[in-house]
Amino acid sequence: DSGVTQTPKHLITATGQRVTLRCSPRSGDLSVYWYQQSLDQGLQFLIQYYNGEERAKGNILERFSAQQFPDLHSELNLSSLELGDSALYFCASSPGGTSNEKLFFGSGTQLSVL
Amino acid sequence: AQKITQTQPGMFVQEKEAVTLDCTYDTSDQSYGLFWYKQPSSGEMIFLIYQGSYDEQNATEGRYSLNFQKARKSANLVISASQLGDSAMYFCAMREGVTPGSNYKLTFGKGTLLTVNP
Repeated sequence: DSGVTQTPKHLITATGQRVTLRCSPRSGDLSVYWYQQSLDQGLQFLIQYYNGEERAKGNILERFSAQQFPDLHSELNLSSLELGDSALYFCASSPGGTSNEKLFFGSGTQLSVL
Repeated sequence: AQKITQTQPGMFVQEKEAVTLDCTYDTSDQSYGLFWYKQPSSGEMIFLIYQGSYDEQNATEGRYSLNFQKARKSANLVISASQLGDSAMYFCAMREGVTPGSNYKLTFGKGTLLTVNP
């Protein structure tokens, strides 16, 4: 158990809908990262937050947004969903203070857009 | 250009033998870190080993070792005495720009699917 909690584990929805994925980082970790894993694109970095502030942005679509709350949990919002958004979405966390720190990954949310 | 290249989509190894999974990287930074993660069929991402760009010795963690060749920009993972439970997808990843205040994201390769045969 990595200590990172993601909910829900599975999500099935229809095109055009909006969903929210939730992540609770490990206790004490200030950084939260969101990744998207698909067969064709592999593991793609979406966005990172550090102590409530956006720190880095990757290949995140404009239809997607995220935030990190004062209690450090994070949410990833996906709107106007398309078939191609079907993927495994990972949240990861790290303390956010040292260059050699590893990322601890949650078990992921499997999103299926039908 | 790809930041992380894993040229072996799939690898097979006999149980108890050693196997090397290749990883090359591309960066102009002097300070960076290299990571290997394992993803079994259950889906979770498990950290295996880390190598810093300034580390003079190759990293080792139990049966895992990292063959770091800085001039060639390669960071190959060596698994000794393979076990059936080692069958999984293996990802090489890099963290660049490791200065205070920088982001700490990892960039991942496409992965290598390792199958250990009995």
